[in-house]
Amino acid sequence: GENVEQHPSTLSVQEGDSAVIKCTYSDSASNYFPWYKQELGKRPQLIIDIRSNVGEKKDQRIAVTLNKTAKHFSLHITETQPEDSAVYFCASPGGTGNQFYFGTGTSLTVIP
Amino acid sequence: DVKVTQSSRYLVKRTGEKVFLECVQDMDHENMFWYRQDPGLGLRLIYFSYDVKMKEKGDIPEGYSVSREKKERFSLILESASTNQTSMYLCASSPVLGANVRGYTFGSGTRLTVV
Repeated sequence: GENVEQHPSTLSVQEGDSAVIKCTYSDSASNYFPWYKQELGKRPQLIIDIRSNVGEKKDQRIAVTLNKTAKHFSLHITETQPEDSAVYFCASPGGTGNQFYFGTGTSLTVIP
Repeated sequence: DVKVTQSSRYLVKRTGEKVFLECVQDMDHENMFWYRQDPGLGLRLIYFSYDVKMKEKGDIPEGYSVSREKKERFSLILESASTNQTSMYLCASSPVLGANVRGYTFGSGTRLTVV
């Protein structure tokens, strides 16, 4: 199946700084890449996604970039706030295309 | 909003017991999935289903089975629970993935402890 690698596993930033989380994938046919945020004790929730026909997508303080040639995509959070503290997962479709393979997660801590 | 409901938030079971984890979605989604979540390992796919009575093995199916008798319900079964199955179990559903579909909707999870 698809192999998704995510880095770093933990990340601490000062409030107001930026955070970047990177993922690589193996299946060149993958064409959709969602990012999920999981707050402590809660379910993962989709926060942003990108399709392979664009290179960047922004939604307020978060953005995702995609480099299809290099098979990697990144989550960028600017002006971080304490409520951004959570575990973030990237994902890529694989197999028949109806299931996702997830990265191992990044635990982000924003220090006030 | 799509709702994916897992029947139990916390479960404690004894080694060797047969355990049923239930998941129900209310949006007529074709696809349903069971993942387990462990620290440092992320979300690993156990089983998934594209349709009623259909099931496919994921990456870690050993020790598990599933049942999908109705479109809205997808059950995960631990035939004989073992301590290494202590984990957070997440159910998810989605329509058939396509140009207008945005990923999964997850349930709240079931934290299973096997003692």
